[in-house]
Amino acid sequence: EAQVTQNPRYLITVTGKKLTVTCSQNMNHEYMSWYRQDPGLGLRQIYYSMNVEVTDKGDVPEGYKVSRKEKRNFPLILESPSPNQTSLYFCASSFEGNDSPLHFGNGTRLTVT
Amino acid sequence: AQKVTQAQTEISVVEKEDVTLDCVYETRDTTYYLFWYKQPPSGELVFLIRRNSFDEQNEISGRYSWNFQKSTSSFNFTITASQVVDSAVYFCALPSESSYKLIFGSGTRLLVRP
Repeated sequence: EAQVTQNPRYLITVTGKKLTVTCSQNMNHEYMSWYRQDPGLGLRQIYYSMNVEVTDKGDVPEGYKVSRKEKRNFPLILESPSPNQTSLYFCASSFEGNDSPLHFGNGTRLTVT
Repeated sequence: AQKVTQAQTEISVVEKEDVTLDCVYETRDTTYYLFWYKQPPSGELVFLIRRNSFDEQNEISGRYSWNFQKSTSSFNFTITASQVVDSAVYFCALPSESSYKLIFGSGTRLLVRP
Protein backbone atom coordinates (compact mmCIF):
# COMPACT_ATOMS: atom_id res chain seq x y z
CA GLU A 1 0.00 0.00 0.00
CA ALA A 2 1.32 3.44 -0.96
CA GLN A 3 1.85 5.44 2.17
CA VAL A 4 3.83 7.90 4.23
CA THR A 5 4.71 6.48 7.63
CA GLN A 6 5.49 8.72 10.56
CA ASN A 7 6.58 7.64 13.99
CA PRO A 8 5.80 8.06 16.76
CA ARG A 9 2.14 9.06 16.63
CA TYR A 10 2.27 10.66 20.05
CA LEU A 11 5.27 11.90 21.99
CA ILE A 12 5.60 13.68 25.32
CA THR A 13 9.05 14.90 26.22
CA VAL A 14 10.83 17.45 28.35
CA THR A 15 12.60 20.63 27.38
CA GLY A 16 16.07 20.05 25.98
CA LYS A 17 15.86 16.32 25.38
CA LYS A 18 16.80 15.61 21.76
CA LEU A 19 14.24 13.74 19.72
CA THR A 20 13.72 12.49 16.19
CA VAL A 21 10.45 12.00 14.36
CA THR A 22 10.87 9.53 11.55
CA CYS A 23 9.21 9.71 8.17
CA SER A 24 9.33 7.16 5.40
CA GLN A 25 7.52 6.91 2.07
CA ASN A 26 7.27 3.93 -0.27
CA MET A 27 6.16 5.75 -3.43
CA ASN A 28 9.60 6.69 -4.76
CA HIS A 29 8.68 10.35 -4.44
CA GLU A 30 11.32 12.99 -5.11
CA TYR A 31 9.82 15.65 -2.86
CA MET A 32 9.32 15.46 0.90
CA SER A 33 8.35 18.09 3.41
CA TRP A 34 7.52 18.72 7.05
CA TYR A 35 4.64 20.89 8.25
CA ARG A 36 3.43 21.82 11.67
CA GLN A 37 -0.18 22.60 12.47
CA ASP A 38 -1.15 24.94 15.28
CA PRO A 39 -4.53 26.39 16.27
CA GLY A 40 -4.94 29.83 14.80
CA LEU A 41 -1.74 29.56 12.76
CA GLY A 42 -2.73 26.81 10.38
CA LEU A 43 -0.30 24.62 8.49
CA ARG A 44 3.22 25.97 8.16
CA GLN A 45 6.13 24.41 6.35
CA ILE A 46 9.25 23.65 8.38
CA TYR A 47 11.65 22.14 5.83
CA TYR A 48 11.46 20.49 2.48
CA SER A 49 13.63 18.33 0.26
CA MET A 50 13.58 18.12 -3.51
CA ASN A 51 15.81 15.05 -3.64
CA VAL A 52 18.50 13.12 -1.80
CA GLU A 53 20.97 15.45 -0.08
CA VAL A 54 18.92 18.50 -1.13
CA THR A 55 17.08 20.23 1.68
CA ASP A 56 15.87 23.77 2.23
CA LYS A 57 14.17 25.86 4.87
CA GLY A 58 10.50 26.49 4.92
CA ASP A 59 8.67 29.19 6.83
CA VAL A 60 9.48 28.09 10.37
CA PRO A 61 12.80 26.19 10.39
CA GLU A 62 14.20 27.52 13.70
CA GLY A 63 14.85 24.78 16.20
CA TYR A 64 14.60 21.96 13.66
CA LYS A 65 16.99 19.94 11.53
CA VAL A 66 16.36 17.49 8.73
CA SER A 67 18.38 15.15 6.59
CA ARG A 68 17.73 13.29 3.33
CA LYS A 69 20.35 10.59 3.02
CA GLU A 70 18.01 8.18 1.28
CA LYS A 71 15.11 8.93 -1.02
CA ARG A 72 12.52 7.26 1.16
CA ASN A 73 13.42 8.77 4.55
CA PHE A 74 13.18 12.33 5.81
CA PRO A 75 13.57 12.51 9.60
CA LEU A 76 12.81 15.64 11.60
CA ILE A 77 15.23 16.32 14.43
CA LEU A 78 14.65 18.58 17.41
CA GLU A 79 18.06 19.01 19.02
CA SER A 80 16.78 20.88 22.07
CA PRO A 81 13.00 20.92 22.11
CA SER A 82 11.17 23.79 23.76
CA PRO A 83 7.51 24.16 24.79
CA ASN A 84 6.78 26.36 21.76
CA GLN A 85 7.47 23.32 19.59
CA THR A 86 4.45 21.58 21.04
CA SER A 87 2.42 20.97 17.92
CA LEU A 88 0.95 18.49 15.46
CA TYR A 89 3.57 17.56 12.87
CA PHE A 90 3.00 16.17 9.42
CA CYS A 91 5.42 14.66 6.99
CA ALA A 92 4.38 14.73 3.34
CA SER A 93 5.70 13.55 0.01
CA SER A 94 4.85 14.09 -3.64
CA PHE A 95 6.08 13.00 -7.02
CA GLU A 96 7.73 16.28 -7.94
CA GLY A 97 7.02 19.20 -5.65
CA ASN A 98 4.39 21.87 -5.71
CA ASP A 99 2.10 20.78 -8.50
CA SER A 100 1.77 17.15 -7.45
CA PRO A 101 -0.68 16.09 -4.76
CA LEU A 102 0.88 15.84 -1.33
CA HIS A 103 0.53 12.55 0.50
CA PHE A 104 0.59 13.08 4.23
CA GLY A 105 1.59 10.86 7.09
CA ASN A 106 -0.83 10.35 9.96
CA GLY A 107 0.78 13.06 12.04
CA THR A 108 2.82 13.19 15.22
CA ARG A 109 1.39 15.00 18.20
CA LEU A 110 4.33 16.33 20.18
CA THR A 111 4.10 17.81 23.65
CA VAL A 112 7.16 19.45 25.18
CA THR A 113 6.91 20.21 28.89
CA ALA B 1 1.02 38.17 -2.42
CA GLN B 2 -0.55 34.78 -2.60
CA LYS B 3 -3.41 33.97 -0.36
CA VAL B 4 -6.12 31.37 0.17
CA THR B 5 -9.23 32.50 2.00
CA GLN B 6 -11.81 30.18 3.49
CA ALA B 7 -14.19 32.64 5.07
CA GLN B 8 -16.46 30.02 6.63
CA THR B 9 -14.84 28.98 9.88
CA GLU B 10 -17.48 26.46 10.81
CA ILE B 11 -20.60 25.08 9.17
CA SER B 12 -23.19 22.87 10.79
CA VAL B 13 -25.77 20.99 8.74
CA VAL B 14 -28.19 18.16 9.26
CA GLU B 15 -27.52 14.90 7.50
CA LYS B 16 -28.73 14.77 3.88
CA GLU B 17 -28.45 18.51 3.43
CA ASP B 18 -26.24 19.85 0.65
CA VAL B 19 -23.40 22.09 1.74
CA THR B 20 -20.90 24.28 -0.12
CA LEU B 21 -17.50 25.21 1.23
CA ASP B 22 -16.06 28.38 -0.23
CA CYS B 23 -12.48 28.99 -1.28
CA VAL B 24 -11.14 32.22 -2.75
CA TYR B 25 -7.52 32.57 -3.77
CA GLU B 26 -5.03 35.16 -4.96
CA THR B 27 -2.07 34.41 -7.19
CA ARG B 28 -0.02 36.12 -9.86
CA ASP B 29 0.70 32.87 -11.64
CA THR B 30 -1.13 32.51 -14.95
CA THR B 31 -1.24 28.74 -14.69
CA TYR B 32 -1.54 26.95 -11.41
CA TYR B 33 -3.11 24.07 -9.57
CA LEU B 34 -5.60 24.14 -6.73
CA PHE B 35 -6.15 21.46 -4.13
CA TRP B 36 -8.65 20.38 -1.50
CA TYR B 37 -7.70 18.28 1.52
CA LYS B 38 -9.82 16.74 4.26
CA GLN B 39 -8.80 16.39 7.91
CA PRO B 40 -11.22 14.08 9.75
CA PRO B 41 -11.41 13.99 13.55
CA SER B 42 -8.70 11.30 13.59
CA GLY B 43 -6.29 14.01 12.44
CA GLU B 44 -4.73 12.82 9.21
CA LEU B 45 -4.74 14.95 6.06
CA VAL B 46 -6.31 13.35 3.03
CA PHE B 47 -5.94 14.59 -0.54
CA LEU B 48 -9.30 15.05 -2.28
CA ILE B 49 -8.72 16.78 -5.59
CA ARG B 50 -6.30 18.72 -7.78
CA ARG B 51 -7.51 21.06 -10.52
CA ASN B 52 -5.52 22.82 -13.22
CA SER B 53 -6.35 26.46 -13.89
CA PHE B 54 -6.75 25.63 -17.59
CA ASP B 55 -9.73 23.44 -16.87
CA GLU B 56 -12.82 25.24 -15.62
CA GLN B 57 -15.16 22.33 -16.02
CA ASN B 58 -16.90 21.24 -12.87
CA GLU B 59 -15.57 18.03 -11.37
CA ILE B 60 -17.85 15.46 -9.78
CA SER B 61 -16.85 12.46 -7.72
CA GLY B 62 -19.78 10.70 -6.13
CA ARG B 63 -21.40 13.11 -3.68
CA TYR B 64 -18.53 15.58 -4.03
CA SER B 65 -18.31 18.27 -6.67
CA TRP B 66 -16.02 21.17 -7.27
CA ASN B 67 -16.75 24.43 -9.05
CA PHE B 68 -13.72 26.32 -10.31
CA GLN B 69 -14.22 29.84 -11.62
CA LYS B 70 -11.09 31.66 -12.71
CA SER B 71 -12.99 34.93 -13.22
CA THR B 72 -13.83 35.13 -9.53
CA SER B 73 -10.73 33.26 -8.28
CA SER B 74 -12.89 30.73 -6.54
CA PHE B 75 -12.72 26.98 -6.14
CA ASN B 76 -15.77 25.91 -4.17
CA PHE B 77 -16.51 22.44 -2.88
CA THR B 78 -20.04 21.04 -2.60
CA ILE B 79 -21.09 17.93 -0.73
CA THR B 80 -24.47 16.63 -1.81
CA ALA B 81 -26.64 14.70 0.65
CA SER B 82 -24.11 15.12 3.44
CA GLN B 83 -23.38 12.28 5.85
CA VAL B 84 -22.03 12.20 9.38
CA VAL B 85 -18.78 10.75 8.03
CA ASP B 86 -18.26 13.99 6.11
CA SER B 87 -17.64 15.79 9.40
CA ALA B 88 -14.10 17.11 9.14
CA VAL B 89 -12.01 20.19 8.55
CA TYR B 90 -11.57 20.92 4.87
CA PHE B 91 -8.62 22.85 3.50
CA CYS B 92 -8.20 24.55 0.17
CA ALA B 93 -4.58 25.01 -0.99
CA LEU B 94 -2.50 26.68 -3.68
CA PRO B 95 1.15 26.05 -4.62
CA SER B 96 3.50 28.86 -3.73
CA GLU B 97 4.83 30.99 -6.60
CA SER B 98 8.21 31.38 -4.95
CA SER B 99 8.87 28.23 -2.96
CA TYR B 100 8.19 24.54 -2.89
CA LYS B 101 5.25 24.47 -0.53
CA LEU B 102 1.48 24.66 -0.44
CA ILE B 103 -0.30 27.71 0.87
CA PHE B 104 -3.27 26.46 2.87
CA GLY B 105 -6.43 28.26 3.75
CA SER B 106 -7.40 28.38 7.40
CA GLY B 107 -9.87 25.55 6.90
CA THR B 108 -13.62 25.13 7.28
CA ARG B 109 -14.88 22.84 10.00
CA LEU B 110 -17.94 20.95 8.79
CA LEU B 111 -20.20 19.29 11.33
CA VAL B 112 -22.88 17.01 9.94
CA ARG B 113 -25.48 16.19 12.58
CA PRO B 114 -27.59 13.05 12.41
